[in-house]
Amino acid sequence: EAAVTQSPRSKVAVTGGKVTLSCHQTNNHDYMYWYRQDTGHGLRLIHYSYVADSTEKGDIPDGYKASRPSQENFSLILELASLSQTAVYFCASSGGGENTLYFGAGTRLSVL
Amino acid sequence: QQKVQQSPESLSVPEGGMASFNCTSSDRNFQYFWWYRQHSGEGPKALMSIFSDGDKKEGRFTAHLNKASLHVSLHIRDSQPSDSALYFCAARAQTGFASALTFGSGTKVIVLP
Repeated sequence: EAAVTQSPRSKVAVTGGKVTLSCHQTNNHDYMYWYRQDTGHGLRLIHYSYVADSTEKGDIPDGYKASRPSQENFSLILELASLSQTAVYFCASSGGGENTLYFGAGTRLSVL
Repeated sequence: QQKVQQSPESLSVPEGGMASFNCTSSDRNFQYFWWYRQHSGEGPKALMSIFSDGDKKEGRFTAHLNKASLHVSLHIRDSQPSDSALYFCAARAQTGFASALTFGSGTKVIVLP
């Protein structure tokens, strides 16, 4: 089965600090995504990427940057973490075509 | 207003019973639908996709799509405790191209032993 690994699995950050969430996939997929999950909002798309060295804004990109240095790796960066960014973050990959997304196990981020 | 809306927010079903829940898109560009399931503490996993009008059955799961009304439903027959999870409907505008999925807010299903 497709494998998407996220690190760390949980993190506590201070307001105003920098946070980097990492994602690694071994599926040989071209497409990678970052979603955040909040109760009552489901999953919302932050950034995505079709190819290495290129990223696209999703529905809620404000306050987040993304980096895709290689096909396998996709990072989400919070330059100045805020309380409102407390959430669970999921990375996913897909191979195009039918576009089934394969998700990682998530990173629980608490900003204090 | 969310482009993909799900109902109900939660439901309980006895073990062995039928669980049914719904999803509607307010964006007519969304023609392609998926159902994902998320167990507590895990990432979502795809259950099935449905792109054509009518029913699609995979094991105990049956999805129904009405493209005219952009309404899709999921029915779980003979519900098992392992079916207790959060179920997401997801949609996108194109097929054959990996445009990102838009998810609903989910339906929480509790299977009572």
